Amino acid sequence: ETGVTQTPRHLVMGMTNKKSLKCEQHLGHNAMYWYKQSAKKPLELMFVYSLEERVENNSVPSRFSPECPNSSHLFLHLHTLQPEDSALYLCASSQGSGGQETQYFGPGTRLLVL
Amino acid sequence: ILNVEQSPQSLHVQEGDSTNFTCSFPSSNFYALHWYRWETAKSPEALFVMTLNGDEKKKGRISATLNTKEGYSYLYIKGSQPEDSATYLCAFRKYGGSQGNLIFGKGTKLSVKP
Repeated sequence: ETGVTQTPRHLVMGMTNKKSLKCEQHLGHNAMYWYKQSAKKPLELMFVYSLEERVENNSVPSRFSPECPNSSHLFLHLHTLQPEDSALYLCASSQGSGGQETQYFGPGTRLLVL
Repeated sequence: ILNVEQSPQSLHVQEGDSTNFTCSFPSSNFYALHWYRWETAKSPEALFVMTLNGDEKKKGRISATLNTKEGYSYLYIKGSQPEDSATYLCAFRKYGGSQGNLIFGKGTKLSVKP
């Protein structure tokens, strides 16, 4: 166990649905991340929150909307997704976000968009 | 565009074999190199964070070396065991890069047969 949990672990949704992914970290960290892994591709950073403020948005479409209500929780709100958004979505946390600190990952949410 | 390449893509070894794989990254503006171990259906687990040219780190039977001048890192596993079967990821962080922005390789998938 890394101290980072994600729910749900699996999600199937239609293109017109709205759903949310949840991440919680129990490590006392001050930075949280969303990553996407599509088939045959490396992990790609989507969003970074540091001290509950969004500091990075890696050109992610607006149909993905992150929310960080406090330093322990991170959400990814999904709406009007496309089938190509089907992927594994991973959350991570770290103490600091300078680049030399270890990021601790959750187990991911496997998303299928029909 | 920053590229992180890992080779080989996959590797099959017998229990007891020693093995190694490579992570190549840009040699300019190096800041940090991370190694992760990712078992199927689990969270990626941090192995090492390497920051200095010539660094060598060890964790049990796993060790890693770093050459920032030529832009590569090797991961070695001595006496592979079936429980070492996993995908090994490396991630590069550029000096002056955006906060938290790790660039991941696609990974090397290791299978160890008993």
